[in-house]
Amino acid sequence: EAQVTQNPRYLITVTGKKLTVTCSQNMNHEYMSWYRQDPGLGLRQIYYSMNVEVTDKGDVPEGYKVSRKEKRNFPLILESPSPNQTSLYFCATRWGGNTEAFFGQGTRLTVV
Amino acid sequence: GEDVEQSLFLSVREGDSSVINCTYTDSSSTYLYWYKQEPGAGLQLLTYIFSNMDMKQDQRLTVLLNKKDKHLSLRIADTQTGDSAIYFCAESESSARQLTFGSGTQLTVLP
Repeated sequence: EAQVTQNPRYLITVTGKKLTVTCSQNMNHEYMSWYRQDPGLGLRQIYYSMNVEVTDKGDVPEGYKVSRKEKRNFPLILESPSPNQTSLYFCATRWGGNTEAFFGQGTRLTVV
Repeated sequence: GEDVEQSLFLSVREGDSSVINCTYTDSSSTYLYWYKQEPGAGLQLLTYIFSNMDMKQDQRLTVLLNKKDKHLSLRIADTQTGDSAIYFCAESESSARQLTFGSGTQLTVLP
């Protein structure tokens, strides 16, 4: 079964405590992206990757890091989370440009 | 950056048609998409249209594209309570590096 798996689904953390949200896909897709969803703002792209070791900033990259050491995994790293990073995060994958995006179930992050 | 705009809310009665509208700014958009998000879930692709098409129909869904006005609409015929969800319009830029999403329209279907 084609899957995009994010972990954890829910996370409450304190300001400044480093955290990682994992994303894994089993579809051999080249394109992977991270989005955050905030009320009234839709989905905004944080970072994307077009292949292993190829990553680039999206529209709202500040405060986030990513890595793409293997094709299937694309973790999102918050080195020093702040309350304005409280949001719903989605990982998405695509086979290539202009193809359907498959989304994970989302990670609800709260930073207090 | 490119911009995609939608109204935030729409309410319709069960059995009526729903029309969700979207405008975009990128004249080089090649694909335009409609995604559906049910509560507590990720987004799922509903349908898409190539920029050289005017209309696409898929069962109860009709997508209309006015490229001159950069206006996209999604019509849902015979709307059911199960259609209640957030609907996102998205466009893929010519380089296809990323999808740009609108703010989403919360569709509420009233019995």
